[in-house]
Amino acid sequence: DTAVSQTPKYLVTQMGNDKSIKCEQNLGHDTMYWYKQDSKKFLKIMFSYNNKELIINETVPNRFSPKSPDKAHLNLHINSLELGDSAVYFCASSQYGVDEQYFGPGTRLTVT
Amino acid sequence: GENVEQHPSTLSVQEGDSAVIKCTYSDSASNYFPWYKQELGKRPQLIIDIRSNVGEKKDQRIAVTLNKTAKHFSLHITETQPEDSAVYFCAASSTGRRALTFGSGTRLQVQP
Repeated sequence: DTAVSQTPKYLVTQMGNDKSIKCEQNLGHDTMYWYKQDSKKFLKIMFSYNNKELIINETVPNRFSPKSPDKAHLNLHINSLELGDSAVYFCASSQYGVDEQYFGPGTRLTVT
Repeated sequence: GENVEQHPSTLSVQEGDSAVIKCTYSDSASNYFPWYKQELGKRPQLIIDIRSNVGEKKDQRIAVTLNKTAKHFSLHITETQPEDSAVYFCAASSTGRRALTFGSGTRLQVQP
């Protein structure tokens, strides 16, 4: 029983395309996050949602649009993909008032 | 915002030796300091964490120490084993900003 899951695991696409990544957690958490891990392994927060409300929006191009249809799901839509968007995108979740964050398996996005 | 620096970037030890990884943070409001282990192609896994009201925490072969005055914290792994080989990340967050700010990672290699 996977706690935090993401689909797809791999995504290869061409520049200019639009793609989405989906995340689901079955931990009953109310806060979800998107992190980006670049080719040098740096992990950086992109967005955070609490109870479907956007609470953190780092300096991310507006081509990236997160959406949380409910507390258990957080999706990431990316428009007009660029080469620099190639990275591994991790979803994570936590419960408000409890610090521990649990990560999904990641989605490796390759833009050609 | 928060800035977390991590050293060393690579660390090679002999099996059975100890390994120490150090991190410093900048934001005095940070009060939660987790450590994650990431194996190749896998998700970051929480291995130990410490909160600002505690100076030291131990879990079997791993321990973390925190010096709030100096704003630094360290991970200690004793009796290292080849399966400890991975990239280790420190991170920091605060009650007000719950997203994790990560260090740049340390690639630990344990030589058998």
